[in-house]
Amino acid sequence: KAGVTQTPRYLIKTRGQQVTLSCSPISGHRSVSWYQQTPGQGLQFLFEYFSETQRNKGNFPGRFSGRQFSNSRSEMNVSTLELGDSALYLCASSRRPRDRPHEQYFGPGTRLTVT
Amino acid sequence: AQKVTQAQTEISVVEKEDVTLDCVYETRDTTYYLFWYKQPPSGELVFLIRRNSFDEQNEISGRYSWNFQKSTSSFNFTITASQVVDSAVYFCALIISSGSARQLTFGSGTQLTVLP
Repeated sequence: KAGVTQTPRYLIKTRGQQVTLSCSPISGHRSVSWYQQTPGQGLQFLFEYFSETQRNKGNFPGRFSGRQFSNSRSEMNVSTLELGDSALYLCASSRRPRDRPHEQYFGPGTRLTVT
Repeated sequence: AQKVTQAQTEISVVEKEDVTLDCVYETRDTTYYLFWYKQPPSGELVFLIRRNSFDEQNEISGRYSWNFQKSTSSFNFTITASQVVDSAVYFCALIISSGSARQLTFGSGTQLTVLP
């Protein structure tokens, strides 16, 4: 069974640009969550999607957005990039969020560097 | 709000030593889940174990064991006879079972280095 896949794995962008990251969950998983990992702030929750709807959002500015498609694949977008957005962005999938929280399975992450 | 504290930032042990990673959590909810994840240098978070707040039974799985104590809000993780391949960052995490705050709250992680 294939795991969570994230593309691209590495990305270099310039301040002010925008970026889109993609996440394909494990087959059969319908919930996708995104996390940002930085040395200073650690792992922080960005948002969670289920059935194409954002169910939960962390404390991030509106420049961070996401969406989920009917096949459960998800994308996150960061507009007007800032140097502080440099981070490892992790996507996690789980069967569904409504019942007891299942373990979330993480992808390898996308390493974003903003210069 | 939930909080997870991993007081140990870095731990170094010599191969074959036992090592315990500490985790203390805070939540007002009575129903919650605790997790341990391992993050090797490749970056991917690997799920190790989940425990719910009603299950204080400790578990041993191979060289790994977990000690969950609600009375002290702790969920510690022990590696017996550590190996070099155990070197990674280990994260303890918490999720509550109700309401809108259903995201994983992570501790700051413990960097474990196992020396040959």
